[in-house]
Parts: sequence; structure tokens; C-alpha cells
Amino acid sequence: QLQLQESGPGLVKPSETLSLTCTVSGGSISSSSYFWGWIRQPPGMAPEWIGNIYQDESSYYTPSLESRTTISVDPSKNQISLKMTSVTAADTAVYFCVRVLTPAGSGWIPFDPWGQGTLVTVSS
Amino acid sequence: AIQMTQFPSSLSASVGDRVTITCRASQGIRSDLGWYQQEPGKAPKLLIYAAFRLQSGVPSRFSGSGSGTDFTLTISTLQAEDFATYYCLQYNTYPWTFGQGTKVEIK
Repeated sequence: QLQLQESGPGLVKPSETLSLTCTVSGGSISSSSYFWGWIRQPPGMAPEWIGNIYQDESSYYTPSLESRTTISVDPSKNQISLKMTSVTAADTAVYFCVRVLTPAGSGWIPFDPWGQGTLVTVSS
Repeated sequence: AIQMTQFPSSLSASVGDRVTITCRASQGIRSDLGWYQQEPGKAPKLLIYAAFRLQSGVPSRFSGSGSGTDFTLTISTLQAEDFATYYCLQYNTYPWTFGQGTKVEIK
């Protein structure tokens, strides 16, 4: 069974870079049957999609974060990474990594499973 | 960006009730709509994808319907473990967007 586990600093200073890693177990991140994404959820609010990265390493981001966000993959470590520069208090949230399944001949199955999430607080 | 308007934002219901939650897209999204359940302190869980397809392992009391701009999630007979917050997601057009959520509380 595929499992995702986020990791990274829980506290980041304003203007610095947030760096998170998602380690995938129970399957290869290089499978052609899926791609990967990051989602965040500020306390008490709805989830917000951050971006997706496909197997060809092309990526899409939500416009408000695109200029300072990068998602990448490291197949040798079976990991997906998220980097967000110039963070502010508004970036305080629980960050989740997720999978999008793309079964052949069928529509996509979005965001299943999710990692357990990691809380990142931006504060000096 | 496509706006997803979800309503009601909260509702009170009793075990055994039938519950319906609605999500409206600001433009047509075909059937590219998912529903998620989130319990406090946990990650969201996929219930429904492609507007009406039940994810494996999800109880059959959950059902989804709709296409285009108007969608509904129905819980036919509410159980104690269903008290949670529910979100819709459109994945037709980037940026993918969530609704603001519906909190289902115990009456």
C-alpha cells in the first residue's frame, strides 16, 4: 500500500525558504500511472492546492505561489520536494503531499492517498 | 480561476438523517469533481471522484451526482463517524480549487 510521509523544519523565519520532502513507500514515484502534488491547509481553513509535478517533470502551480514555489522529484530517493522562497506568516499551514492516479483508459483519481501532513509555522 | 461555492457552510443533523451538500462551479467542469472528508487533526480522505464514482473502501451510503456546474454529495443514512468537514475539489482546469467546506455537526 502506497504511503507518503512529509518531513522538514516545523519553524521557518520570515523571508527565508521553506523546504519540505515527501518520502514515498510501497511504490515507485516513477510509475507512469500517477503524478504528485502538494497541498497546504492554514489553520481552520480549507485546503489550498499548491502544485503538481508530472512524470516528465513538467509542473503546474497555483498562480499566487508560482513565482516562489518549486516542486521537484528525486527518483533515486523516491522523494518529492517542495521549496517556497520568501515566506511570510501567511504561509503558516499544514503541508500535505498527495498522489494523482491516472489509470489507463479511465479518468484521473485525484489526491489519494495523502501524507499525514506537517505543520510549518513562519515566525521570527 | 474556477471558483467552487460550497453550501451550506455547516449543518446540524442526527444519526440516521439524510444529508445533502452542494458544490457549484463558476464555470463548467464536466465531471471532474471530487469529494473529501476530513476529521479534526487528520488529512482529508477521498470519498468520491469523477462526480459520482465511489472510491474503493468508502461506504455505499455516500453518493455523488452532477455534472457541468452543479454537484451534490449525499449521505443516505448519517452515521456517528460521518461527523466531519467535507470539501469538494475541481480538477478540470488549473489551478485546481477546493470549496470552502461544509462542517457536519451533531444535532
